[in-house]
Amino acid sequence: QKEVEQNSGPLSVPEGAIASLNCTYSDRGSQSFFWYRQYSGKSPELIMFIYSNGDKEDGRFTAQLNKASQYVSLLIRDSQPSDSATYLCAVMDTGRRALTFGSGTRLQVQP
Amino acid sequence: EAEVAQSPRYKITEKSQAVAFWCDPISGHATLYWYRQILGQGPELLVQFQDESVVDDSQLPKDRFSAERLKGVDSTLKIQPAELGDSAMYLCASSTTGGYTEAFFGQGTRLTVV
Repeated sequence: QKEVEQNSGPLSVPEGAIASLNCTYSDRGSQSFFWYRQYSGKSPELIMFIYSNGDKEDGRFTAQLNKASQYVSLLIRDSQPSDSATYLCAVMDTGRRALTFGSGTRLQVQP
Repeated sequence: EAEVAQSPRYKITEKSQAVAFWCDPISGHATLYWYRQILGQGPELLVQFQDESVVDDSQLPKDRFSAERLKGVDSTLKIQPAELGDSAMYLCASSTTGGYTEAFFGQGTRLTVV
């Protein structure tokens, strides 16, 4: 059973702080790693994807991947109340390209 | 901007009735996924298509659910008969097949079975 694990939260951070969201995965054959943001009642929205070890930055978001530790994280700098949402980690394998999701971490940014 | 189209956005149906959802992926995306998301949980894969072929339907309750993608473009997911436990958000996503690629979701269909 391929698993993607996330802390359900809620993770509460003050406005302007850095929010750190973490995800571990069990399948060493995983190829690509995705972070989606999901507002209540809405569909997931792709924020970033990463496939190489190290950091990938896009605006206020940084994704970090460590394949040896089977760990991927998302950092949100200068957190805003509008960042309050559930963040889903997803992993795509190398074979049939299935996309497996974690259960999500709920982030609350306090004004 | 290219989007994954889904319809309807909302559906209320009575238990034991049939219900169908439609998805049109982003043009050129050969891979299409149907997911079910229960409130408070992550999306769970129901079926994955590569063009018109089913790649994975291991989690699809085949006694009541069916999915097709006849021409390798748009897709339909059907439930017959619907049960109360089927109430969820049904999400369609698509991606290309080559190299490293993103997967994009449609707006989803919120199903309520009463």
